[in-house]
Formats: sequence, structure tokens, C-alpha cells
Amino acid sequence: GENVEQHPSTLSVQEGDSAVIKCTYSDSASNYFPWYKQELGKRPQLIIDIRSNVGEKKDQRIAVTLNKTAKHFSLHITETQPEDSAVYFCAASTQDPPSSNTGKLIFGQGTTLQVKP
Amino acid sequence: NAGVTQTPKFQVLKTGQSMTLQCAQDMNHEYMSWYRQDPGMGLRLIHYSVGAGITDQGEVPNGYNVSRSTTEDFPLRLLSAAPSQTSVYFCASSSTGGVGGQPQHFGDGTRLSIL
Repeated sequence: GENVEQHPSTLSVQEGDSAVIKCTYSDSASNYFPWYKQELGKRPQLIIDIRSNVGEKKDQRIAVTLNKTAKHFSLHITETQPEDSAVYFCAASTQDPPSSNTGKLIFGQGTTLQVKP
Repeated sequence: NAGVTQTPKFQVLKTGQSMTLQCAQDMNHEYMSWYRQDPGMGLRLIHYSVGAGITDQGEVPNGYNVSRSTTEDFPLRLLSAAPSQTSVYFCASSSTGGVGGQPQHFGDGTRLSIL
């Protein structure tokens, strides 16, 4: 089955700096890669996602890159702000069954991002 | 729209007790799933369903049962609670379509403690 590894587990940056979180996945059939942000005591919320037919996607200060050959994808946050402090999760989804458009969504272990003012 | 509603928000059980965590969504989503969240382990998939009458196991299904009799509801049952099941449980739903999946909408979670 799919396995998703996420690094680092904690990340501390100064306000205004960039932050990068990396994930690797094991199943080459994975084709959907979302990122979620979870503030303390709250539900996870989608911040950006990318599909296997795209190499990069950007939304204001947030970008995600995907390298299918190496089976890894990364989240990039530029000009970080204190409100970016949260736990970030990557995830990977495979089609199950293969002919469907639904599947298991497997999450990484999470990265706690702290942005210091 | 309420989105995904989970009840209860908090629960304390004794070892061996059984209970059902409720999850309901009002978005007509076909896909629903249950996750447990433990410190340092991320969100682990327990069970999921691609539509009414269809369920399947995730990464950590042991000790849990699910059923999906309607599109709206996807309850999670603990048959005989164990301290290892102390966790925060999240229910999520999504529409189908697109390559691989669609964004998951999460409920607020249920904090469960087993003594």
C-alpha cells in the first residue's frame, strides 16, 4: 500500500523567510497530492493540491511542486507570516479500484511550522 | 450548509465499552472516510466508503466497524474500547471525479478517551 513520509517534523523560521516542507510517496500509481493546514484544536483544511499531470501549482504565497520520477512533492511558503504557524500535512491518493476516480488518501506525519515575529 | 457534522465532540469511555461516533454530511458527497489523529503520527485512515452500501478498510481498521446505509451518514463503531483507541477522530467527505480524488471536507473531530 501507499506510504507517505514527511520532513521535517518541526520547522522554525523568521517572519518574512521562506519555508519548505517535503514529502515522498511509495506508490507510483498515486495521482492526487493535497496539502492541509491544521491550526491548534481545529480541523484540517485544504490549502493547495496538485494532480499528477501538473508539475507545479501556485496560489499567492503558496506553491507546490511535484516530481513523479523521484516520487516526491514539496510545499513552498514565501514571505511567511505569524498566522502561517500551524501543522501542515501532505497526502497522496491512489485510485481504488484502478478504474475509478476515488481512492485512499494517505497522510504524512505532519510538520509543525513556527513563524517567529 | 452545515458541511460535515460529528457528534459527540468529547467522550470518555471505560475499557470494554462500545460506542458509535456519528458523522453526517449535507453536501451529497459520495466519498466519506474516518481518520484518527495521534501525536507525531499524522492522520491515519481507518475506513472509507465510495457510496451508500460500499465500505472498505484503510490503514488501521482493527477494532472499528462502519456501515453506509445512506449517502449522508457514515457512523464509526468501537466494538470493545481499548486504551490504544484514545485519539482524536475526524470524519471527512468529498465529491468524486477528477484524477485520484477531490478535496476532503473535515468535521470538527471527536476527542475520545478510553480509561
